[in-house]
Formats: sequence, structure tokens, C-alpha cells
Amino acid sequence: GAVVSQHPSWVICKSGTSVKIECRSLDFQATTMFWYRQFPKQSLMLMATSNEGSKATYEQGVEKDKFLINHASLTLSTLTVTSAHPEDSSFYICSARASKSSYNSPLHFGNGTRLTVT
Amino acid sequence: SQQGEEDPQALSIQEGENATMNCSYKTSINNLQWYRQNSGRGLVHLILIRSNEREKHSGRLRVTLDTSKKSSSLLITASRAADTASYFCATKDNYGQNFVFGPGTRLSVLP
Repeated sequence: GAVVSQHPSWVICKSGTSVKIECRSLDFQATTMFWYRQFPKQSLMLMATSNEGSKATYEQGVEKDKFLINHASLTLSTLTVTSAHPEDSSFYICSARASKSSYNSPLHFGNGTRLTVT
Repeated sequence: SQQGEEDPQALSIQEGENATMNCSYKTSINNLQWYRQNSGRGLVHLILIRSNEREKHSGRLRVTLDTSKKSSSLLITASRAADTASYFCATKDNYGQNFVFGPGTRLSVLP
């Protein structure tokens, strides 16, 4: 149980276009989902916390107009990278916490999306 | 500021040997968790240790926690080539929702 599906697993896009990444909890409801960015051989950097039915909370330094997050249902959060540029190329990972679990419970991760902007 | 710091950054061992990774953190925690990440994939939760626990086992994994030193270690016994991955510690305080991940240890187990 507790499967998180992230799609697409990789995407190549041209500079200036927008890319949408989906994160779905398949067998549980997730009030809260998290979006991370990971550079090669580095740790996860939290970008934003996505709460169902409300605005996302962005970490300092993350442009909310650049990285649009929508969490319209208890099983789906989307991250849209708008007007992508080569410096946005990275590995993006989502995680979800089951609605019934506490803040201290483990997170369930998607398999990540490799974004390459040419 | 970075909460968890891991060392070593990279570790290469032979199959059958034990692998030990360490994690240090800076503030009070509710719990500390270890995750594993295969190359190009998401993270998988391995084990959680609460702040009032000192040691925990799960299969070939052994985790210790020393809150006085603000440090934890992950021991993988009798390592296998399939254990090759990056391992991250993540800490959770008593207040917020978020976990803070350390920089990770890249483990290579050579057959």
C-alpha cells in the first residue's frame, strides 16, 4: 500500500514552454503533498508544501509564479514549471503524507521526474 | 539551515561487509528517519526511530540515536550489491509538517 505515482518520469522541453508534473496517491488520501528539487549527487531541497483545497506554502527563494502548484483533490497535486529555462533542468520529486497519519509519520515518495530544458 | 548532515558522503565496500553511515543534526527532534534512494528514483522509507529510543532493528538494518550528541547511525550488515544506493537521514521536529533531509551517503557495494 501507500503508492505514489509521479508522471511523467522524464520530460524534455524547449526553453519558454511550460511543463506539468503530476503526483497521485493511488491507494490513500493525501491532505498534504511536498515537492522537492534534487540536483545531481545532492540532497532533496523542499520547494513547497501543497495542501488540498488551499494555497501552497513555498519555501524561501522559490518563485511561486514560476512553480505553480495545484492540489485540487485528496489524491492529486500538480507542479507546473512555467516558462522553463535550462537552469530549471533538474530532478523533481513529490511525496505525500496520508490524511489519517500524523505529522511524524514517514512520507511516501513518487519516483521523480527528470526535467531537461533545451 | 541544514538539519541533517551525513558522513561519509560516499562509501565503497565489498559484498558481505558491513556499512555504517552517520547523521548529525542541530535542533531538537521528534523522530529521525532513514530513507534509501536508488539512482534516478524516489525515496523509500527504511526505518524510523523516535527521540526516546536509542536503538532499533529491522532485518539487516540497525539504527542508533544519541540525542545528547544529536547524531544517528545506520548500520547495514552483510551488505549485498543490491544495497547500492544513496541513503538519507531526515529529521522531524515537534512543530512543523516538514522533514529536513541530510546530504546523503552514496553507498557502493561491489560484488
